[in-house]
Amino acid sequence: AQSVTQPDIHITVSEGASLELRCNYSYGATPYLFWYVQSPGQGLQLLLKYFSGDTLVQGIKGFEAEFKRSQSSFNLRKPSVHWSDAAEYFCAVGFSGGGADGLTFGKGTHLIIQP
Amino acid sequence: ETGVTQSPTHLIKTRGQQVTLRCSSQSGHNTVSWYQQALGQGPQFIFQYYREEENGRGNFPPRFSGLQFPNYSSELNVNALELDDSALYLCASTNRPGGWETQYFGPGTRLLVL
Repeated sequence: AQSVTQPDIHITVSEGASLELRCNYSYGATPYLFWYVQSPGQGLQLLLKYFSGDTLVQGIKGFEAEFKRSQSSFNLRKPSVHWSDAAEYFCAVGFSGGGADGLTFGKGTHLIIQP
Repeated sequence: ETGVTQSPTHLIKTRGQQVTLRCSSQSGHNTVSWYQQALGQGPQFIFQYYREEENGRGNFPPRFSGLQFPNYSSELNVNALELDDSALYLCASTNRPGGWETQYFGPGTRLLVL
């Protein structure tokens, strides 16, 4: 069955430290991959996406993600976090069939930034 | 450029009632999708509307229905509300229905069913 897993429910990182949020998917082919961020009281904002090509993609706010086909993963990274990065992060996957099937989201990772 | 807007922001209903949520798509976007986000969960796809017709649907019962209007705005209707319908309902718009173009999300409507 097609699925998306974010193994970490909560992650705490010190301000200025590096960050990696994990995302794994289960699917027989290469899906379309997205990372979204949700701040309290806000909708979802797209950080970056991967459709094909270079497996390292750059996004907004200094985030990047790497697609690893062999590991069925699409982990999100940032070299130095800021207090404003505290939010909920969702990995989302588009499986075959196109956009009419909707995105499948993971359960999210809550990022806490320590001063 | 106007972003995706949703109304109302919050709503309280009683079990068994019916509710209508509204969404205005981003300027130039002709496709609207609806998602349900339960507390502590990721959003789940309800359905998508394009050219005023349902274009795709997730695993939700028929009491979840929708409309899209000629100006591309959309409504989500839920009949016979259940306690488990309490959630944040998100609307997203895009400019192409069949691909994986970037979806722009609204701030959501938080529904509480008592």
